[in-house]
Amino acid sequence: AQSVAQPEDQVNVAEGNPLTVKCTYSVSGNPYLFWYVQYPNRGLQFLLKYITGDNLVKGSYGFEAEFNKSQTSFHLKKPSALVSDSALYFCAVRDARTGNTPLVFGKGTRLSVIA
Amino acid sequence: GAVVSQHPSWVICKSGTSVKIECRSLDFQATTMFWYRQFPKQSLMLMATSNEGSKATYEQGVEKDKFLINHASLTLSTLTVTSAHPEDSSFYICSANPNTEAFFGQGTRLTVV
Repeated sequence: AQSVAQPEDQVNVAEGNPLTVKCTYSVSGNPYLFWYVQYPNRGLQFLLKYITGDNLVKGSYGFEAEFNKSQTSFHLKKPSALVSDSALYFCAVRDARTGNTPLVFGKGTRLSVIA
Repeated sequence: GAVVSQHPSWVICKSGTSVKIECRSLDFQATTMFWYRQFPKQSLMLMATSNEGSKATYEQGVEKDKFLINHASLTLSTLTVTSAHPEDSSFYICSANPNTEAFFGQGTRLTVV
């Protein structure tokens, strides 16, 4: 079975400071990993993904994430946070072997960037 | 990226009536779409997998007679909440996987009064 853990319900960071949103996963085979962002009353927007290759993945809006196989982690990072980054962030996983199947999501982490 | 369009964005209906939510893939064909429900401040809960030309697959605990899913074409899946009650009030989101990642509709806020 696949699962995702986002250990923090809420992350607060000052504008201009670096931010990290944590994610660990569990999957039987090789993972496909994703980060999505959700603004109030909106669907999820794709930020970035890890499929294969470089462990450091760069995505939209200056976000990046690092795949760490030994720690089964895929933490989301940004060097300098903006107030507009305040939103709900979801980490998701899918087993690379399972084809067109739904993603398994973490519970979400609310990021609050304070001016 | 691929575009998934969901309509309506919000709807208010009276108890006992039915509401239809549409999910369209605008620039790709989707043989499979997924319907989620999201409660306030919670993650997405997969309700069902919509399959073009065949019956939907429902997750455990989801009433198939209450949440009717139809996938009539390669670009359209619909979710109908039948005989809606206030406890059905929620945020409903559809998605499809044209590539490795999923793309989501804008979501529908359903309020049953």
